[in-house]
Amino acid sequence: ETGVTQTPRHLVMGMTNKKSLKCEQHLGHNAMYWYKQSAKKPLELMFVYNFKEQTENNSVPSRFSPECPNSSHLFLHLHTLQPEDSALYLCASSQRLAGGPVETQYFGPGTRLLVL
Amino acid sequence: GEDVEQSLFLSVREGDSSVINCTYTDSSSTYLYWYKQEPGAGLQLLTYIFSNMDMKQDQRLTVLLNKKDKHLSLRIADTQTGDSAIYFCAEKRGKLIFGQGTELSVKP
Repeated sequence: ETGVTQTPRHLVMGMTNKKSLKCEQHLGHNAMYWYKQSAKKPLELMFVYNFKEQTENNSVPSRFSPECPNSSHLFLHLHTLQPEDSALYLCASSQRLAGGPVETQYFGPGTRLLVL
Repeated sequence: GEDVEQSLFLSVREGDSSVINCTYTDSSSTYLYWYKQEPGAGLQLLTYIFSNMDMKQDQRLTVLLNKKDKHLSLRIADTQTGDSAIYFCAEKRGKLIFGQGTELSVKP
């Protein structure tokens, strides 16, 4: 496997279900991100992890709970979601260098989530 | 405004040039990016430009930056059907701030 992988690719869940999205990066990066992509809206940054530490939470509802057990894996735990949470959830990774120039983010293919 | 803005749709004929425009918000943004998203896939970095540059060319891609107007454009020469995708511009303002994407449709 190369790059950034995400599983599952598609997920349908009811509002009372609990599920988890998984992301794995094979690039040796030290930062990982969760984004939400809704139709015709800009990507919304949800969470950022640097060296396994959460450094950003963009006012995301508590029904979304991230977990980063190591620098290669990132999870997004979902519970009691709402239909408006249906979207494409994208994971990305990058190599953050102190004072460094370009921080290129590499994206996974996303998980298409439908909440019924 | 606070948003990175792009037009939502662009349609061109195969072989023509495509120009996708973007207006960003912060004149102190250091890097500006263009990402491409093909159907069912994640975002793929196409190119980026540092804020002290006016132009960057990479094969069929030309990026133009007008810092005064905070305007960024991506020109694709000899557009092919495989270029059909959604193109996102993004500015680095601490974190990446994305536009809503321009859907490019290439007709044979």
